[in-house]
Amino acid sequence: AQSVTQPDIHITVSEGASLELRCNYSYGATPYLFWYVQSPGQGLQLLLKYFSGDTLVQGIKGFEAEFKRSQSSFNLRKPSVHWSDAAEYFCAVGAGGGSNYKLTFGKGTLLTVNP
Amino acid sequence: DTEVTQTPKHLVMGMTNKKSLKCEQHMGHRAMYWYKQKAKKPPELMFVYSYEKLSINESVPSRFSPECPNSSLLNLHLHALQPEDSALYLCASSRGGQFYGYTFGSGTRLTVV
Repeated sequence: AQSVTQPDIHITVSEGASLELRCNYSYGATPYLFWYVQSPGQGLQLLLKYFSGDTLVQGIKGFEAEFKRSQSSFNLRKPSVHWSDAAEYFCAVGAGGGSNYKLTFGKGTLLTVNP
Repeated sequence: DTEVTQTPKHLVMGMTNKKSLKCEQHMGHRAMYWYKQKAKKPPELMFVYSYEKLSINESVPSRFSPECPNSSLLNLHLHALQPEDSALYLCASSRGGQFYGYTFGSGTRLTVV
């Protein structure tokens, strides 16, 4: 079965600093990988996704992520963090075929941005 | 319309009540999902409706009952809930294939008293 590990429960960065959120996955086949962001009390918004091709993918809000098969990682990055980026970030892996397809989420990383 | 709409946004119900959560999308998506999310936890999958077929998560108690009246609507019927069922209930939809992420609604904050 697939699984996702986000090693960092909480990260604090200063506004304007760079950001990297870590994600490691476990899945036997080619993974479908996603990053979502959730503001307090809100639903999840898709930031970016990867399923094939270029291993560096660009997303919304200036985020990017790099897929590294050798490390089973899909880390999220942003060169300069804005205060509005403070939120919970979830990495997810999609697996299964047809009606059995489902997303499995990591436990999330809470991002705090200091002024 | 690129949204998933969930109603109500907030719901407080007693343990003997019957209530329903509603989810609607008009993106032509063929798969819809119910997730439960406790505070500071990731979403947990409850039910999947994919191409009009319901996939049951055996770990979900029978006091939760999904219903899919048509391809745009997904309801979650609640009956005799417990206080530990208090959570954010999220609905999501997708095109139904592996290549697509999910579009999530903003959720219903449920409190069982």
